[in-house]
Amino acid sequence: AQRVTQPEKLLSVFKGAPVELKCNYSYSGSPELFWYVQYSRQRLQLLLRHISRESIKGFTADLNKGETSFHLKKPFAQEEDSAMYYCALSGQNYGQNFVFGPGTRLSVLP
Amino acid sequence: DTGVSQDPRHKITKRGQNVTFRCDPISEHNRLYWYRQTLGQGPEFLTYFQNEAQLEKSRLLSDRFSAERPKGSFSTLEIQRTEQGDSAMYLCASSLEGRTGDEQYFGPGTRLTVT
Repeated sequence: AQRVTQPEKLLSVFKGAPVELKCNYSYSGSPELFWYVQYSRQRLQLLLRHISRESIKGFTADLNKGETSFHLKKPFAQEEDSAMYYCALSGQNYGQNFVFGPGTRLSVLP
Repeated sequence: DTGVSQDPRHKITKRGQNVTFRCDPISEHNRLYWYRQTLGQGPEFLTYFQNEAQLEKSRLLSDRFSAERPKGSFSTLEIQRTEQGDSAMYLCASSLEGRTGDEQYFGPGTRLTVT
């Protein structure tokens, strides 16, 4: 069965420090991996997906199939990055059974 | 606002009552999803439509839950004989099937409280 884990419920870093939000998954095939973000009082929105291989708002994430991980990284955190971050996986039957992790709350301190 | 909309935003009901939620997706999107989110958890997949066809339902979805998407436009999610455990945020998302992936656009959610 598809499963996504995010080991940290809360991650606090100081402004300017590097940040890494961990995500591990289990899936027998070739998954699509995503990071979604929810800022305070806003709706859930896509941050990035592994197939795009792009950097959004300074964030990057690399799919490591050997370690079944898709960690989200940013070299210098900003206060506006404070939000709830969800890692998500979609299986080969695209669009079906989209699985979210429990989320990590990132708090960037001044 | 041309994004996904949901109605109502909040619903308080007594145990045993039926409730219905509505989702209006982005107009050109052919895929529509329903999720449930409880405190401290990520969204949990409930069901998925492609146009008017309901293609997937979570095994966790009890018979008290039913969803429709007539004419492939808006969708409704009905919960019959509500229970306190149904209290949650119900999220709707829509997407356009495409070669590059399935970016889901989420609505603001309907928060259900069952007393």
